[in-house]
Amino acid sequence: GAVVSQHPSRVICKSGTSVKIECRSLDFQATTMFWYRQFPKQSLMLMATSNEGSKATYEQGVEKDKFLINHASLTLSTLTVTSAHPEDSSFYICSASRGTGGPEDTQYFGPGTRLTVL
Amino acid sequence: GQNIDQPTEMTATEGAIVQINCTYQTSGFNGLFWYQQHAGEAPTFLSYNVLDGLEEKGRFSSFLSRSKGYSYLLLKELQMKDSASYLCAVEDSNYQLIWGAGTKLIIKP
Repeated sequence: GAVVSQHPSRVICKSGTSVKIECRSLDFQATTMFWYRQFPKQSLMLMATSNEGSKATYEQGVEKDKFLINHASLTLSTLTVTSAHPEDSSFYICSASRGTGGPEDTQYFGPGTRLTVL
Repeated sequence: GQNIDQPTEMTATEGAIVQINCTYQTSGFNGLFWYQQHAGEAPTFLSYNVLDGLEEKGRFSSFLSRSKGYSYLLLKELQMKDSASYLCAVEDSNYQLIWGAGTKLIIKP
């Protein structure tokens, strides 16, 4: 199978601090990784798409200076929430695909990271 | 270990009914999601079940039996636009999401 992990699974931080979330593909090379935000019991909102070695492509309305994404290797992407505020509290989910994220690519989802900003 | 099983692919005819099953074995249970994902797009929320029984939402219904570790998504009056992957995901005791591999549904005229 294709396994995707996230670390940490949950994090609590103070307002104004930065938090880094890791997404790893454990048994395959992920050319493309996606970062989503899930609102309570609702849809996944795509935040950005990252290709290994390239700058991430952010969705409209997502602040790229606030949500820093790095995809430095084929098995690791990181999302850093900078100067976190309570409204950033959410469940962040990553997914990974072997290809470039096109229609024929399967996305494999991580278990999510719950961020609580006090 | 934790495991979610759903069929890899199913084929159905336009106008018909199809049932996509999902069985799970997880460390605890806090809810089960069904998502629809069209190729190359983000998943769209379909349903969330916490209690046993059937929840109907238009052409889509979702059923849950916690004692059996089983859920299904029922799609009625199938339309060509229903061709997509359907993802089952379970919230475990730590509210982490355990994902199935998805069922690719092919609708034929």
